[in-house]
Amino acid sequence: DAGITQSPRYKITETGRQVTLMCHQTWSHSYMFWYRQDLGHGLRLIYYSAAADITDKGEVPDGYVVSRSKTENFPLTLESATRSQTSVYFCASSGRLAGVNEQFFGPGTRLTVL
Amino acid sequence: DQQVKQNSPSLSVQEGRISILNCDYTNSMFDYFLWYKKYPAEGPTFLISISSIKDKNEDGRFTVFLNKSAKHLSLHIVPSQPGDSAVYFCAASAYNQGGKLIFGQGTELSVKP
Repeated sequence: DAGITQSPRYKITETGRQVTLMCHQTWSHSYMFWYRQDLGHGLRLIYYSAAADITDKGEVPDGYVVSRSKTENFPLTLESATRSQTSVYFCASSGRLAGVNEQFFGPGTRLTVL
Repeated sequence: DQQVKQNSPSLSVQEGRISILNCDYTNSMFDYFLWYKKYPAEGPTFLISISSIKDKNEDGRFTVFLNKSAKHLSLHIVPSQPGDSAVYFCAASAYNQGGKLIFGQGTELSVKP
């Protein structure tokens, strides 16, 4: 199906484990983003990518790693999960240049770290 | 430092009346503003946007107003419908920020029949 998808939709893991959240988009958008949503904080940018092999930190990058070997995929890895990383994670993509930045969001992954 | 602020966590409105959601920003370099709507268990969806060269943009029942001198924007929904009940996020971007959006904390709108 066309659009942007995330997997898994729900994940429960334990402190210290590595977790990878997947994001896939079919629009060939250049830009992709990872956000986390927490009560009282809205959506905060973790990492973003302007193109394949180009990534940069956002507002809250600590504890996360990203890669983008293909335009359509942008996985987010928690190398050693902590309870503070319990959150809802959204991936987004955008095909536009800076200045006109409508982003399209995936359905989210709810991650619980025990 | 929160560059985009939505100071009202929640808003309750009667069906058919006007809903006004507010958003303030601090960065004068922002030149494009967006509103997103989010239902539970779904990703945010784009609603309406406005460029800093305008002060109003209208799309059906939704109108966004921008007051650059006050660094304030608002979203008006007229008339409000129960299906408008959702969390609304305002977001801002600057031309030199590589496509990044800065989001507010969100306002949960409840439209009661």
